[in-house]
This record gives sequence, C-alpha cells and structure tokens, in this order.
Amino acid sequence: GAVVSQHPSWVICKSGTSVKIECRSLDFQATTMFWYRQFPKQSLMLMATSNEGSKATYEQGVEKDKFLINHASLTLSTLTVTSAHPEDSSFYICSARDPGGAAEQFFGPGTRLTVL
Amino acid sequence: LAKTTQPISMDSYEGQEVNITCSHNNIATNDYITWYQQFPSQGPRFIIQGYKTKVTNEVASLFIPADRKSSTLSLPRVSLSDTAVYYCLVGSQGGKLIFGQGTELSVKP
Repeated sequence: GAVVSQHPSWVICKSGTSVKIECRSLDFQATTMFWYRQFPKQSLMLMATSNEGSKATYEQGVEKDKFLINHASLTLSTLTVTSAHPEDSSFYICSARDPGGAAEQFFGPGTRLTVL
Repeated sequence: LAKTTQPISMDSYEGQEVNITCSHNNIATNDYITWYQQFPSQGPRFIIQGYKTKVTNEVASLFIPADRKSSTLSLPRVSLSDTAVYYCLVGSQGGKLIFGQGTELSVKP
C-alpha cells in the first residue's frame, strides 16, 4: 500500500520555541492531507485539513495561529507548533489518501512532541 | 458523520476468535464502514472496509447486517501481536475521518 512518512519521529523542545513536523507521501501525490493529535489513552482528534496550494481548514477549537500548516507541494505538508507549551505535548499524526488507489487513508507513523 | 459505539475494552486468549461489534445507528446510505488498528505510539493501520453483507481479507472479516446499523470485525485465531486498539469509522466528510473511542483488545497467552 501507499506509504506516508513523518519527520521527526520524536522531538523535545523548550517551552516557547516552535517545532516543525513534516508529513510526506512517498509514492503518491496527495492534494489533501490531514493532521491529528492524540493524547495518552485517548483517541485521535482531527486538527485540520491540509490543502495543497491553499489555506488549511481547521476544526473547531483548534487555533490556526498556533498550529501553522503549509502544504506547498503534492507530497509534503508541514505542521508548525508555534510557541509550544507543555500542554502541547502530544502525539501528532498525519494521513493522506492516494487519489489513484484504494479508498482507505494511510497514516504516518506519528511524531511524539514533548515540551519541557 | 455517523456516531459509532464500541466496547471500551476486550480480553482474549491466543488462538481464539475475537469479534468486536460497532453500533452506528445513524449510518447514511452512502457511508462505508472502515476498521483501523493502532499499536501504541504508531499511526493507525487500515484493516478492512465494507458496505454490506460480508467482506473478508487476509487479516479479518467484516460482517454487516442488512440494516447496516452495526458491524462486527472478526479476527480469527488472535495472537499476542494483535493486542492493539481497534477503531470503527463510518463514512468520511471530504476525506475527514472522525475517530471514536475505539476498543482496546488485550490478547493473553
């Protein structure tokens, strides 16, 4: 099946700094990617829809100025957590669907963010 | 998007068949039912998808009754490596997937 990668797999940063997470579709082009956040022992929560060449669409309650999303190419979406604080510590996961393939979505391996 | 209800947790033993049922009373006519598996600190992995009756692949079977208000994921002869959280999802809004609480399956030796 299609492969989605994320980088880095984990990151530790100081409070107040910004962190960028990359999501790549390795063998297909994705005009749309999705970003999720998952806290320990909880389900995935959809944060935003990343659209290639246009602005991201954020879910209710997600601060667009804090979680900057850029989808500059058909294979890359980035999520930047700006001025990170300890409460932003979480597991961030992206997904994409291969428009030329099967109906299922493919998820990245996730990025563990820890803010000290 | 239709809301789903699953058991929070299930226990099983190696070699047994495990059936996880998901309720989705408000499923729409065009909605497909999809199941994902997630191991700790990993992204979800697609297991199976169906619309009606029965679907089977190399990993699992999916049973969907005629009214489609529920579905059952069947895992034959589970092993320890099947310990994971299983999510039932119904439909997608422009590709968006909304995850419910999932079922935490624990397989014991």
